[in-house]
Amino acid sequence: AQSVTQLDSQVPVFEEAPVELRCNYSSSVSVYLFWYVQYPNQGLQLLLKYLSGSTLVKGINGFEAEFNKSQTSFHLRKPSVHISDTAEYFCAVSPRGSNYQLIWGAGTKLIIKP
Amino acid sequence: SQTIHQWPATLVQPVGSPLSLECTVEGTSNPNLYWYRQAAGRGLQLLFYSVGIGQISSEVPQNLSASRPQDRQFILSSKKLLLSDSGFYLCAWGQGYYEQYFGPGTRLTVT
Repeated sequence: AQSVTQLDSQVPVFEEAPVELRCNYSSSVSVYLFWYVQYPNQGLQLLLKYLSGSTLVKGINGFEAEFNKSQTSFHLRKPSVHISDTAEYFCAVSPRGSNYQLIWGAGTKLIIKP
Repeated sequence: SQTIHQWPATLVQPVGSPLSLECTVEGTSNPNLYWYRQAAGRGLQLLFYSVGIGQISSEVPQNLSASRPQDRQFILSSKKLLLSDSGFYLCAWGQGYYEQYFGPGTRLTVT
C-alpha cells in the first residue's frame, strides 16, 4: 500500500532563515508528487508539482522541491522565509494507475519566529 | 479558468439536525470531485469521491452521504448530525491522476 510520511509535525524557524520540510513516500508504482499550502481557515493551494522531467521543481512564493527517486523523497525548501509563510504544508502523491485519489501526508506546520 | 465554489462558509447546527453542503465547479467538464474533512488539529480525511454523474465512492462509513446530480455539482448530506461531524469540510476537483484544486471550505460546528 502507498503511504506518505511528513517527518516533522511542526518546524519553527526564524524569519529570513532557510527551511526544509521533509516528505518521504512509499509506492510500488511510479507517482506524481505535490506540495500544498493551507493558511488558517482556508482551502488548500497547490504550491508545486512533479509530473516528469527535471527533478528540481519551482513553485509559487519562492518555494522549490527536489524529487529523489532513490530515496523516495520530495522535500520542500525555501531559501529565506517570511512571516507570511506561516501555514500548514501538505505533501501528497498520486500513484499512477490508482483510482484518482491522492495519498496525503499528515501535514507540517511552519512557524516563523520574528 | 476554473473556479470552485463552496457554501455556506460557516454553519452551526444542533445535534440531530440535517446537513447539506454544496460544491460547484466552473470552467471544466467531467471533473473528478472529492469531499474531505479536517477535524481540529488533524490532517485530511477523504470522505467521498466521484468520477461521474451518479457515481459515488465512499471511503469512510458514517452518517454522511454524497450525491452528484449534475456534472459539476457535488453535495454532502446528513440526515442527523453528530457532535463528531464537526470540522472543516473541503471540496476539491481534479482530472486523471493529476493535482486536485480545492474550494474555500465550510466550517461546521455541531452543538
